[in-house]
Amino acid sequence: NAGVTQTPKFQVLKTGQSMTLQCAQDMNHNSMYWYRQDPGMGLRLIYYSASEGTTDKGEVPNGYNVSRLNKREFSLRLESAAPSQTSVYFCASSEVINQETQYFGPGTRLLVL
Amino acid sequence: DQQVKQNSPSLSVQEGRISILNCDYTNSMFDYFLWYKKYPAEGPTFLISISSIKDKNEDGRFTVFLNKSAKHLSLHIVPSQPGDSAVYFCAASHLNFGNEKLTFGTGTRLTIIP
Repeated sequence: NAGVTQTPKFQVLKTGQSMTLQCAQDMNHNSMYWYRQDPGMGLRLIYYSASEGTTDKGEVPNGYNVSRLNKREFSLRLESAAPSQTSVYFCASSEVINQETQYFGPGTRLLVL
Repeated sequence: DQQVKQNSPSLSVQEGRISILNCDYTNSMFDYFLWYKKYPAEGPTFLISISSIKDKNEDGRFTVFLNKSAKHLSLHIVPSQPGDSAVYFCAASHLNFGNEKLTFGTGTRLTIIP
């Protein structure tokens, strides 16, 4: 039981490049989330998926797109990376959308030059 | 607008003593509060929570206190151990209104000195 896994662990991009961050959970959770963590800002919600087939914007969605590929997988795409998107990205999941306890992956550290 | 605030970016405590981490919130609609713990290069892990119908919740060495009138909560760790050195995030939500989003504070880095 791996919990929440994220790939890659670390990535360097040039401004304007695109990439997809992958997330998968094996806990049969319905809801999944993408956060970014920046110094002095805490964790901020980018997008979330309450259940398979649905996605919604969070606090800071600009510059990102998401896909809930199936119940297990929730990907985050940067179409044209900008230095402001340098951050640590965390994926999380919970059993249901109103469940307050979320389980987090280990994070993806992204550097945009 | 930071709705959940952790005003102390860092805290150092001697091993065996009590660690007190503080959190303030501004949104009176919040009715559920959580603490997450984060080690370097790992994701946050859930530590303890409290509903707004309570003013205290204990789990082993960890106790969370909620003062609704002051919109303040605190996490007490007694006794503090070296393994408690981590970043602690306070988070809040308003479950009763079906709001699924957690709002996180900026974190407090706790260092336990042996």
